[in-house]
Amino acid sequence: GAVVSQHPSRVICKSGTSVKIECRSLDFQATTMFWYRQFPKKSLMLMATSNEGSKATYEQGVEKDKFLINHASLTLSTLTVTSAHPEDSSFYICSARVGGGDYGYTFGSGTRLTVV
Amino acid sequence: QKEVEQNSGPLSVPEGAIASLNCTYSDRVSQSFFWYRQYSGKSPELIMSIYSNGDKEDGRFTAQLNKASQYVSLLIRDSQPSDSATYLCAALYNFNKFYFGSGTKLNVKP
Repeated sequence: GAVVSQHPSRVICKSGTSVKIECRSLDFQATTMFWYRQFPKKSLMLMATSNEGSKATYEQGVEKDKFLINHASLTLSTLTVTSAHPEDSSFYICSARVGGGDYGYTFGSGTRLTVV
Repeated sequence: QKEVEQNSGPLSVPEGAIASLNCTYSDRVSQSFFWYRQYSGKSPELIMSIYSNGDKEDGRFTAQLNKASQYVSLLIRDSQPSDSATYLCAALYNFNKFYFGSGTKLNVKP
């Protein structure tokens, strides 16, 4: 089946540095990808919608200058957490729609970010 | 942000029993609803989707949708310890955005 590959799976960074997370669609093209964040024991919160070749659409309350999204090709979207702080520590997950129908959405394996 | 609500649990059931998970949503624009299972530290995996009023069965799982009451449920028959996980209810808005409930933690006791 269609797979969304997400890297890295875990990252630990120092406060003030930037971290890039990649989300790749394997064997299919994804014009739209979605980025979610999940805090411990909380649900997934949609952060932004990544559109190939155009600017991402951010959900209310998400800082676009802090969470930079680039969707330069039909198979790759990246999320960069800039000037990371401990409160940015979370589980970040990307998702893409594979095709039509309700089963057409697939999630990446997630990235556990820890900012120390 | 659209609102999808779930009881956080934990819901504890004995092995072999029926587990009943519930979800309500606040926006009538939603037309499709999904149940995901998430193990600790892992990404969600799709269990079922439903978009018509009534019941939809798939193996041990039955999803129920009542649009008038804005209510979605998931029944798990013959619950197994391996079913222990957090179950997320999600609503699809604008045909491409998922909004998730907070999740219900299910604990199936052997």
